[in-house]
Amino acid sequence: QVQLQESGPGLVKPSQTLSLTCTVSGGSINSGRYYWTWIRQHPGKGLEWIGYISYSGSTFYSPSLRSRLTISVDTSKNQFTLKLSSVTAADTAVYYCARVGAVNSYYHMDVWGQGTPVTVSS
Amino acid sequence: DIQLTQSPSSLSASVGDRVTITCRASQSISSYLNWYQQKPEKAPKLLIFAASSLHSGVPSRFSGSGSGTDFTLTISSLQPEDFATYYCQQSYSTPITFGGGSKVEIK
Repeated sequence: QVQLQESGPGLVKPSQTLSLTCTVSGGSINSGRYYWTWIRQHPGKGLEWIGYISYSGSTFYSPSLRSRLTISVDTSKNQFTLKLSSVTAADTAVYYCARVGAVNSYYHMDVWGQGTPVTVSS
Repeated sequence: DIQLTQSPSSLSASVGDRVTITCRASQSISSYLNWYQQKPEKAPKLLIFAASSLHSGVPSRFSGSGSGTDFTLTISSLQPEDFATYYCQQSYSTPITFGGGSKVEIK
């Protein structure tokens, strides 16, 4: 079955760019049936949607992060990537990637990566 | 943005209890409402999509109902593995938003 795995540095310095990759295995990211999304969870807090991307590269971003955010897809590597610039301590969180599926246009996050913790600190 | 308000934020229950969690949207979202379960240090798992459709592999003791602005997640007979935090999420419009979570603890 499809599995997702996040990778990237666990420690980023303030003002730098956080870069994470989600590798999709057991299925093709090229499938037009899905979107691919990033979610984060601040320590002890709830879930925050970051943005998502289609296999063709169409993106939808959270307005609160849009000015600092880039999500891209590399179909040749079956990966999608998050880049968040000018990070601060407020970006310290566990970052999850997930697949967004749909049944009759009802979209839902049906497969999740295990999550990767990122700390922003000098 | 569509705000989702969950209640209660936490509850204590015993194995075998019937548990109900509610999620209220700040505007009508039809049936574009999903429920997730998250255990400590683990990724969320999809339970219910489209307000009432059970995701594949999810036990039938979980059910969802509602439409418009008011939604409910019910666990008919709480099992030990159900102690977790539950989140609702709307897929009606971007930005996608989640409720604040409801933590189910052991009484």
